[in-house]
Amino acid sequence: QQQVKQSPQSLIVQKGGIPIINCAYENTAFDYFPWYQQFPGKGPALLIAIRPDVSEKKEGRFTISFNKSAKQFSLHIMDSQPGDSATYFCAARVQGGSEKLVFGKGTKLTVNP
Amino acid sequence: NAGVTQTPKFQVLKTGQSMTLQCAQDMNHEYMSWYRQDPGMGLRLIHYSVGAGITDQGEVPNGYNVSRSTTEDFPLRLLSAAPSQTSVYFCASRRDMDAYEQYFGPGTRLTVT
Repeated sequence: QQQVKQSPQSLIVQKGGIPIINCAYENTAFDYFPWYQQFPGKGPALLIAIRPDVSEKKEGRFTISFNKSAKQFSLHIMDSQPGDSATYFCAARVQGGSEKLVFGKGTKLTVNP
Repeated sequence: NAGVTQTPKFQVLKTGQSMTLQCAQDMNHEYMSWYRQDPGMGLRLIHYSVGAGITDQGEVPNGYNVSRSTTEDFPLRLLSAAPSQTSVYFCASRRDMDAYEQYFGPGTRLTVT
């Protein structure tokens, strides 16, 4: 009930491609869906986030698409660059301000030059 | 503003040894938490704190203790290290229970032999 399932586990694209990372959840009490970006040797950092009353959010080259009825959300990276190579985590927070932020298992993205 | 800081960056322990991982934040955040990151497992919550003097268990608390005597500091204690505790440990904080953005420290890579 608390899980967030993330796929794929790894992804390789060419520069300029549009990698898509998908996440699915079951718990309808989730009220906030952030994506975190983690570079090797660093801690995760918030990249972009969406609330379930919005179907899409764009910030620069990063877009979250949210499908409430399917309980799925995805991250799209437009015009991907080698500098985007990192591990990406989707997450979901339980409604009511609980501390419990549930993370997906991560997707290692490699963007080849 | 240093954000969330962690020490040490690397540590090697022998089985049965004890140690404390340090975490501090200078953002006056109420919420602090500890995660461990293992390959293919994502980020798993160990313990968290909603304020000074208040702590609670997360998903994987066994073998770890925490305390929160000040707002700024949230140390994680390994009582008797085991090889299964080999991992990368991240401390995180956020403003309060209603805040959305969580800030992560740079991590401590722990190896238990």
